[in-house]
Amino acid sequence: GNSVTQMEGPVTLSEEAFLTINCTYTATGYPSLFWYVQYPGEGLQLLLKATKADDKGSNKGFEATYRKETTSFHLEKGSVQVSDSAVYFCALSAGGTSYGKLTFGQGTILTVHP
Amino acid sequence: GAVVSQHPSRVICKSGTSVKIECRSLDFQATTMFWYRQFPKQSLMLMATSNEGSKATYEQGVEKDKFLINHASLTLSTLTVTSAHPEDSSFYICSASGGQGAREQYFGPGTRLTVT
Repeated sequence: GNSVTQMEGPVTLSEEAFLTINCTYTATGYPSLFWYVQYPGEGLQLLLKATKADDKGSNKGFEATYRKETTSFHLEKGSVQVSDSAVYFCALSAGGTSYGKLTFGQGTILTVHP
Repeated sequence: GAVVSQHPSRVICKSGTSVKIECRSLDFQATTMFWYRQFPKQSLMLMATSNEGSKATYEQGVEKDKFLINHASLTLSTLTVTSAHPEDSSFYICSASGGQGAREQYFGPGTRLTVT
């Protein structure tokens, strides 16, 4: 079946540090890949996405590249801010009988200190 | 665009009562809506998928008689937790996706249910 594995957190960084959150996946076919962010007490917001190999999704300084050869979609940001503190979820949407369904990773808690 | 609302945002109910949670797509037609449950500091667990006008498809292990899902229109889906018990306390999140092969889901802000 489909699965997503994220690096375990929590991740604690100082402001302006470089961020990487690893994400690897297992899926049949050609899934679409997503990063979602969840702020405390809120639902999920789409951060970025990529729908095919070598696509780069980017938003608000965050980037992730769809690497089919390594089945990865690592999230990066060059300089984090305190306001980036949240839980980040990597997810995929595959086809076939799972069409439209999202499979989530376990989430990574990010805390950024001033 | 692509805004999804949920109501209520928080609800406290007594054990044995039923609670209804609404999920609305405000600016698009949602042919498919999904209901998730999230436990503290954990990922989202898909409970069921509902397509407008048809019965919901429940994931394995989810009691369809306890978690009633109705998707009566292209902008509204409801989740009713029947005969709620304290173990049903959780954060319930809905999402919606449009038609035409869309894979992207737009999430509601979630509903915090506490059963006393």
